[in-house]
Amino acid sequence: LQVQESGPGMVKPSETLSLTCTVSGGSVVSDRYYWGWIRQSPGKGLEWIGSIYYSGSTYYNPSLERRVAISVDTSKNQLFLRLNSMTAADTAVYYCARHGLFDPFDPWGQGTQVIVSS
Amino acid sequence: IVVTQTPLSLSVTPGQPASISCKSSQSLLNGYGNTSLHWYLQRPGHPPQLLISEVSNRIPGVPDRVSGSGSGTDFTLKISRMEAEDVGVYYCMQSKQLPWAFGQGTKVEIK
Repeated sequence: LQVQESGPGMVKPSETLSLTCTVSGGSVVSDRYYWGWIRQSPGKGLEWIGSIYYSGSTYYNPSLERRVAISVDTSKNQLFLRLNSMTAADTAVYYCARHGLFDPFDPWGQGTQVIVSS
Repeated sequence: IVVTQTPLSLSVTPGQPASISCKSSQSLLNGYGNTSLHWYLQRPGHPPQLLISEVSNRIPGVPDRVSGSGSGTDFTLKISRMEAEDVGVYYCMQSKQLPWAFGQGTKVEIK
């Protein structure tokens, strides 16, 4: 199973970031697994953003909950991340990964760099 | 739950052992009787790679010189004999309670 993130690379301050994670070699529809977004910035290290179950149930990090939305399209085997009101502090590499309820994130995608700049 | 790693950096002579500590602010024993503490290695330019799950379960392909131990709130990752391929940043991660959280990372270099 592989996951691959894609996105715009750069967004302007105050804009909304939209990222896609495409799953191949397996299905997002799974009784066991969730799908998560994690980001990594030099200042804050690795930060879990949120996760989604194939049914659409979502779980968000309280630090980002007001600005984030994660969704899934089971017909396309894709996950989506939307993060609004972007600032320079949101500059990071964004990863998607599979995980179980108490399980670690594995596998991870290669990540997509997002730079917030005017 | 906060997870705290020490040290933040480590320089190790080839063939020598290395040890990284990870302490959590609460017990990581989950309702299924397992402990939700995992270890990753991130090499430059790559995503984190899972090394060990649930304290001590080595992922297939991970050399047996890498081991994990601990319980409750105190955990340790050990490399018995440092090799060049062990260079990178090691992270612990807890998945017992939302929000899932990572340690700050320990940068391991060859001396």
